[in-house]
Amino acid sequence: QQQVKQSPQSLIVQKGGISIINCAYENTAFDYFPWYQQFPGKGPALLIAIRPDVSEKKEGRFTISFNKSAKQFSLHIMDSQPGDSATYFCAASIRNTDKLIFGTGTRLQVFP
Amino acid sequence: DAGITQSPRHKVTETGTPVTLRCHQTENHRYMYWYRQDPGHGLRLIHYSYGVKDTDKGEVSDGYSVSRSKTEDFLLTLESATSSQTSVYFCAIPSRTGNTGELFFGEGSRLTVL
Repeated sequence: QQQVKQSPQSLIVQKGGISIINCAYENTAFDYFPWYQQFPGKGPALLIAIRPDVSEKKEGRFTISFNKSAKQFSLHIMDSQPGDSATYFCAASIRNTDKLIFGTGTRLQVFP
Repeated sequence: DAGITQSPRHKVTETGTPVTLRCHQTENHRYMYWYRQDPGHGLRLIHYSYGVKDTDKGEVSDGYSVSRSKTEDFLLTLESATSSQTSVYFCAIPSRTGNTGELFFGEGSRLTVL
């Protein structure tokens, strides 16, 4: 069962533009929401994460926006660069459990 | 500086043959995870371990078994490989932050079952 829904499946953005990836969840017990970035031939790597007690977290050009009431969160990549071209996964976990549930992934392509 | 080494990195096998994938970690962590990655499905947890000889099932465990006889090694076995098990398999351990949602992944093992 897919507990974290991610969209879009693919995204094409011009250099300098804003990339936006959206995720929605159902289980209100989720309390940690990381984003992972994956380059071809590599394993996913943690990019940025947020807890539901804050509405936004920013690290450099990457921002997570969190809407607890709507059970949605999104990743914004400002001033997108060709080096940002990768697959992005949102995920969710429950405190003190051993499992991380992933979204289906978004393939981002940034063209110069 | 890799904390996780997966082997083999690539394998082609035939339906019905047994396959074992190995994950070796140098971080001495209690927890280790096996995920599979497929287009349209993201990453799905197969099995995980919370200590030597302590393992549990994930969401897609059918057709897979695991073993952990040493802290550093976590083996994933396909007793009789099927074409539906063609996938990229990733091993993971918790990151140094200790947060449940923060995992460090290996580089993957690409398995093709003909």
